[in-house]
Amino acid sequence: DTGVSQDPRHKITKRGQNVTFRCDPISEHNRLYWYRQTLGQGPEFLTYFQNEAQLEKSRLLSDRFSAERPKGSFSTLEIQRTEQGDSAMYLCASSPRTGANGYTFGSGTRLTVV
Amino acid sequence: GENVEQHPSTLSVQEGDSAVIKCTYSDSASNYFPWYKQELGKGPQLIIDIRSNVGEKKDQRIAVTLNKTAKHFSLHITETQPEDSAVYFCAASMSGAQKLVFGQGTRLTINP
Repeated sequence: DTGVSQDPRHKITKRGQNVTFRCDPISEHNRLYWYRQTLGQGPEFLTYFQNEAQLEKSRLLSDRFSAERPKGSFSTLEIQRTEQGDSAMYLCASSPRTGANGYTFGSGTRLTVV
Repeated sequence: GENVEQHPSTLSVQEGDSAVIKCTYSDSASNYFPWYKQELGKGPQLIIDIRSNVGEKKDQRIAVTLNKTAKHFSLHITETQPEDSAVYFCAASMSGAQKLVFGQGTRLTINP
């Protein structure tokens, strides 16, 4: 297994456009997490899935954001009507067990909204 | 909610010297404290973690100490090497919680 895979690595989009990111977790991990990291800051929690169920969402996840994990494997994060403030690194992580321990992060998708 | 403060924001040490990074947390219910290393263009990588029932943990050149009373924990790197240069993040999590709350990060530079 090659770890957590995220696609694309970089995305440049115009303000107002929709974007979608994909995350493929480690295959035996049933927990998947999305975080957002802005320049010079630590990652901030966005949402968490256990299998296909989205169990927790941060207040940071406005109604323009939606995440899915339809078959409990890969996940997608969509941002509608992007704004310049959405520019950030979007990180995905997966974990094999309950609690916040044992995270493995992907390399992230860097979004730039122009 | 939990808040994690991390200091210093930048740290420069000579190769071979020790480096110490400190974090404080606000919620006494937090019981899991990992440290992550992030290199340019990569995601954070877990390097060591500690739980609240342990005061210290060591893994080769890296150690973490925890003071539950004072609500602070520290990362110690001894015999630093150029490949230790990176951004380091501390984090905290409460029992049963799924999310991590991260500090602001420390950019560590090892000077040869």
